[in-house]
Amino acid sequence: DAGITQSPRYKITETGRQVTLMCHQTWSHSYMFWYRQDLGHGLRLIYYSAAADITDKGEVPDGYVVSRSKTENFPLTLESATRSQTSVYFCASSEGQNNQPQHFGDGTRLSIL
Amino acid sequence: QKEVEQNSGPLSVPEGAIASLNCTYSDRGSQSFFWYRQYSGKSPELIMSIYSNGDKEDGRFTAQLNKASQYVSLLIRDSQPSDSATYLCAVNGNTGNQFYFGTGTSLTVIP
Repeated sequence: DAGITQSPRYKITETGRQVTLMCHQTWSHSYMFWYRQDLGHGLRLIYYSAAADITDKGEVPDGYVVSRSKTENFPLTLESATRSQTSVYFCASSEGQNNQPQHFGDGTRLSIL
Repeated sequence: QKEVEQNSGPLSVPEGAIASLNCTYSDRGSQSFFWYRQYSGKSPELIMSIYSNGDKEDGRFTAQLNKASQYVSLLIRDSQPSDSATYLCAVNGNTGNQFYFGTGTSLTVIP
């Protein structure tokens, strides 16, 4: 039972570069989410998706792009990375009902130099 | 005002004691409440969910919900050093499946 996997686990890149973080889940959950976690801010929602081809902004979407062509994949792209995007990124998924918990991947630690 | 507020701690308790973690939320329409545990360098792990007023027990963990006071808490009985972690409170929003997370309470259980 692989659950939800993120790749890469660690990434170092430079400002201005494009970088894509991958998220794959095997539960067939309809909802998927991207969060960033920074000291003092906790988990902040970047984007979420209710189903394939349906995405919506969260609390901190600027500088990020998502897509969801298949139910199981939800990649997050930083089109032109900035130092302020250095963070730990978590992908999560949940079943469709509003009261279902979210389950998290192991995270990607991203450093932008 | 933040959607979900937690005391950041750190909270220290001796081994075997009861640890009490508290959370308040601002959206009266919230219906689902969750506690996650996060070890340092790891991802959040669901430990409890609660949907109705009152207490819900699962092993050494008890979640308590009071919607009138907009308050949810987590009690950990017989605390163990392995319980040392940051505990995140999560509350669902009114729209879609969005959750709002508190910034977490750091718990240290002293052997």
